[in-house]
Amino acid sequence: DTGVSQDPRHKITKRGQNVTFRCDPISEHNRLYWYRQTLGQGPEFLTYFQNEAQLEKSRLLSDRFSAERPKGSFSTLEIQRTEQGDSAMYLCASSLGVLAGGEQYFGPGTRLTVT
Amino acid sequence: ILNVEQSPQSLHVQEGDSTNFTCSFPSSNFYALHWYRWETAKSPEALFVMTLNGDEKKKGRISATLNTKEGYSYLYIKGSQPEDSATYLCAFTGATNKLIFGTGTLLAVQP
Repeated sequence: DTGVSQDPRHKITKRGQNVTFRCDPISEHNRLYWYRQTLGQGPEFLTYFQNEAQLEKSRLLSDRFSAERPKGSFSTLEIQRTEQGDSAMYLCASSLGVLAGGEQYFGPGTRLTVT
Repeated sequence: ILNVEQSPQSLHVQEGDSTNFTCSFPSSNFYALHWYRWETAKSPEALFVMTLNGDEKKKGRISATLNTKEGYSYLYIKGSQPEDSATYLCAFTGATNKLIFGTGTLLAVQP
């Protein structure tokens, strides 16, 4: 499968624990995005990378959230000291190009449940 | 604040019915309008990316139109089938690369 993959697909954790998600984009794509979707809402932008540089972060991304893309390939999203409000679907997408508006290809998401 | 709105929120139709959804978006700083189909437990699937006012795109029984001057797009499904059941999301791209999504339209097609 040459699409975007995410791991794990599901994560249940207790409040206060740290969690880390991984995203593997389509191999030739230089851009990688993280979005979060909560119940009844559309996905909301969290952050994006061009190669290894993190170019934009949403105000939704509190200090407890950190994302990396160390070699411009896969990316990780870490949430420290999880809260119940962090329960959501975390989606990763990738795209190719330098112009705005390019098509983004999504992974299946990681569903996080914080108990 | 950039707002993307979709209507209706949900729709139940019979197999064979044709249906359409609306997406409204900011008409300023427009770069592209995206439509995605998202089935449960799967990745959101890109249907269309439209950039020019008056664009019309078609893929099988699904088509979409774009009006950037008034800030709306329509998605049409002709002869709905049960496998069309999904959430249909539209997303706006402005001067940055991030997608700004609407809340989606949940379509259920009854056999």
